[in-house]
Amino acid sequence: EAQVTQNPRYLITVTGKKLTVTCSQNMNHEYMSWYRQDPGLGLRQIYYSMNVEVTDKGDVPEGYKVSRKEKRNFPLILESPSPNQTSLYFCASSQTGGNEQFFGPGTRLTVL
Amino acid sequence: GENVEQHPSTLSVQEGDSAVIKCTYSDSASNYFPWYKQELGKRPQLIIDIRSNVGEKKDQRIAVTLNKTAKHFSLHITETQPEDSAVYFCAASWPEYGNKLVFGAGTILRVKS
Repeated sequence: EAQVTQNPRYLITVTGKKLTVTCSQNMNHEYMSWYRQDPGLGLRQIYYSMNVEVTDKGDVPEGYKVSRKEKRNFPLILESPSPNQTSLYFCASSQTGGNEQFFGPGTRLTVL
Repeated sequence: GENVEQHPSTLSVQEGDSAVIKCTYSDSASNYFPWYKQELGKRPQLIIDIRSNVGEKKDQRIAVTLNKTAKHFSLHITETQPEDSAVYFCAASWPEYGNKLVFGAGTILRVKS
């Protein structure tokens, strides 16, 4: 089944404790992206990657890191999480930019 | 940069009525305009999309119209049903940045039965 997976689905952590949210797609898509969703603000892009080893900042990249060492994986790293990073996070992939994006199931992160 | 504004933020309609959600974009080079539906607790899923070489596209009860001159596009849902209740997001591509999608803030649609 073609899909985008994310782990974990739910995470409660404390300020400053490094964490990684994994994202994987099995559709051989070149383009992958991370979004955060907050009430009233829609989906804001954190980082995106147009292909392996190519990553670029989105609209809200501060406090986040990403890597794209393999085509299928695009992990999101929070080196030192803070409470303002409490949010719902979605990973998405598409064949290329400007095409249908397929979203993962979401990760709900709470930083205390 | 690209900016997408979406209105209204909430919309309540009676079952069977039509619903219209409107979006405007700022970059005249944008060429891809998808609409996503997000049910409560679920991920966004594409319901319809349109490219800049087409003015209108229809899929059963859902249609999207695009006015390139005015830089706005709209989602039309006819004969609404309770299962249409969800958050709807419009988006526009931004060619300058690899056609990344810029999303509107979303519209909460409530269909009252």
